[in-house]
Amino acid sequence: EPEVTQTPSHQVTQMGQEVILRCVPISNHLYFYWYRQILGQKVEFLVSFYNNEISEKSEIFDDQFSVERPDGSNFTLKIRSTKLEDSAMYFCASSVSGRMETQYFGPGTRLLVL
Amino acid sequence: GNSVTQMEGPVTLSEEAFLTINCTYTATGYPSLFWYVQYPGEGLQLLLKATKADDKGSNKGFEATYRKETTSFHLEKGSVQVSDSAVYFCALRKGSNYKLTFGKGTLLTVNP
Repeated sequence: EPEVTQTPSHQVTQMGQEVILRCVPISNHLYFYWYRQILGQKVEFLVSFYNNEISEKSEIFDDQFSVERPDGSNFTLKIRSTKLEDSAMYFCASSVSGRMETQYFGPGTRLLVL
Repeated sequence: GNSVTQMEGPVTLSEEAFLTINCTYTATGYPSLFWYVQYPGEGLQLLLKATKADDKGSNKGFEATYRKETTSFHLEKGSVQVSDSAVYFCALRKGSNYKLTFGKGTLLTVNP
């Protein structure tokens, strides 16, 4: 069964460094999402992406964050200058179409900012 | 804004016990409601969903009924197995938005 994959599974970085989290969505899916879960807190929506544009974003998704689909298979989340509070599990998801479709999630990347 | 509240865990049960995980929501209008499950080391998987009031979602022996009057979507299973041990997330999506709004998750451990 097709699945969403994410790399790396774990990343440790120093505060102020840039990180890029990578995702490979399911191949025929057109909508892509990033969520995050800070330890002990809720899973929070960050951004949705369709047709090479951001279709929706949350207040968390400020100028430090960006997303890109650099080729036909990858979907990336970049954090330009990491802060301690960016430490979280980051989940990528994809869906065939938009609002009415099931979102399929990857296993997550655990980011630790020191 | 929209929000989801689910019962705090962890929940520990013996095999074949009855499971209820409570979930209530706050939203205007008629959101779609979901239960996702996360097994160790894996991503969130959709377990079941309901898109309108009084709908019952079901899958793998789990059930949840969309109750508009109590704004609830409680997850139930009549007889849990060790393999049901996982984290369960309740979530909603408003029709006009793409995003899912999640609860905190409830860790279920089933002992043999």
